[in-house]
Amino acid sequence: GAVVSQHPSRVICKSGTSVKIECRSLDFQATTMFWYRQFPKQSLMLMATSNEGSKATYEQGVEKDKFLINHASLTLSTLTVTSAHPEDSSFYICSARWQGKRETQYFGPGTRLLVL
Amino acid sequence: GQQLNQSPQSMFIQEGEDVSMNCTSSSIFNTWLWYKQDPGEGPVLLIALYKAGELTSNGRLTAQFGITRKDSFLNISASIPSDVGIYFCAGAFGNEKLTFGTGTRLTIIP
Repeated sequence: GAVVSQHPSRVICKSGTSVKIECRSLDFQATTMFWYRQFPKQSLMLMATSNEGSKATYEQGVEKDKFLINHASLTLSTLTVTSAHPEDSSFYICSARWQGKRETQYFGPGTRLLVL
Repeated sequence: GQQLNQSPQSMFIQEGEDVSMNCTSSSIFNTWLWYKQDPGEGPVLLIALYKAGELTSNGRLTAQFGITRKDSFLNISASIPSDVGIYFCAGAFGNEKLTFGTGTRLTIIP
């Protein structure tokens, strides 16, 4: 299947700092990428849809000024957690929509964020 | 957000046993996807289904797209230790975002 990478795989930061997470589709172009958040023992919660060349679409309850998304190219989307606080600690996962013969989504390996 | 009903929530089986899990939705989908997630990792796509009634296999895994388009099933035959993990179903209609199931946690008893 298609490959999606995320960087970093884990990050620890101090409260008040900003953290950028990168999501790359390595062997295909993705006009649409998605950012999810996952709490322990729960399913994935969609935060926002990232569209190449246009503004991201945020889910209800997700602060767009808190979670900045940029999709500047067909292979890269970034999520920046601004002024991070301990409650932002979580597992963040991106996915990329593959629009080949049949559409599907491929996920990155996730980024574990710990805010102290 | 909206979630699919996935059952069972957890399963404890012995190695070699067959496994069955399913997802049901209140609305129809035209795409069903099944993923497996290991601890600390992102979900990995197992099987994708695009047509009502479709039955697709991937090794020991077999999934079916329900005729009503509101459900899907995943079966694992002759389970092995590396099958341990959380299995998620996901459905979509057209270009809409994926709706995820609540997950089935599979544990294999030695």
